[in-house]
Amino acid sequence: EVQLLESGGGLVQPGGSLRLSCAASGFNFASYAMKWVRQAPGKGLEWVSDITGESETTFYADSVKGRFTISRDNSQNMMFLQLQSLRAEDTAIYYCAKDPEGHGYTSESFDSWGQGTLVTVSS
Amino acid sequence: SPELTQPPSVSVAPGQTAKITCSGDALAGHYVYWFQQRSGQAPVLVIYKHTERPSGVPDRFSGSSSRTTVTLTITGVQAEDEGDYYCQIALSGGSNPRYVFGSGTKVTVL
Repeated sequence: EVQLLESGGGLVQPGGSLRLSCAASGFNFASYAMKWVRQAPGKGLEWVSDITGESETTFYADSVKGRFTISRDNSQNMMFLQLQSLRAEDTAIYYCAKDPEGHGYTSESFDSWGQGTLVTVSS
Repeated sequence: SPELTQPPSVSVAPGQTAKITCSGDALAGHYVYWFQQRSGQAPVLVIYKHTERPSGVPDRFSGSSSRTTVTLTITGVQAEDEGDYYCQIALSGGSNPRYVFGSGTKVTVL
């Protein structure tokens, strides 16, 4: 059974930093691209970032480019999202999600999601 | 960025049929995916590539499409189907954002 467990969220001041983690199990982690999606309180879903299976390529939404960094450690079945220069509009639940295709490259959607970790940016 | 428009809410009595639409010019030429999000929970994929159902998803969920409108149909709605539903597409050709979600539809089971 695929399991994804996010951690690292919390309250941070504007301009601050945070590192989110996603622990994966139940599948061959290195064979799948992984993604982050966020959801502001009471709002819809917004894609944030992708990383391919062997970290060859990363992608970012324009809203976070230059401030967030995605990475992964396949030896530990972990994915990370480093958040810097945080703004109030970054306040959201951050979900990690798995790509449906096992070729390591990003495909069209997300087939499994973690329960999310809440990031609150406020002074 | 491209927009996918969904009705804000749909109300349906138990056992009846709920239809949730997703429309927008961006749909043309792209597969559509549907997610269910129950209150306080993570999204769950219920339909992929317009009409396919992942294993474990009840067959009362079905999808259909035309060029600029796609529809998620829940036939014989049950109380557990209450929640928010989002359509989603993937854009190509170096577009940003790479994935676009619809505005979401809250399904209320009366």
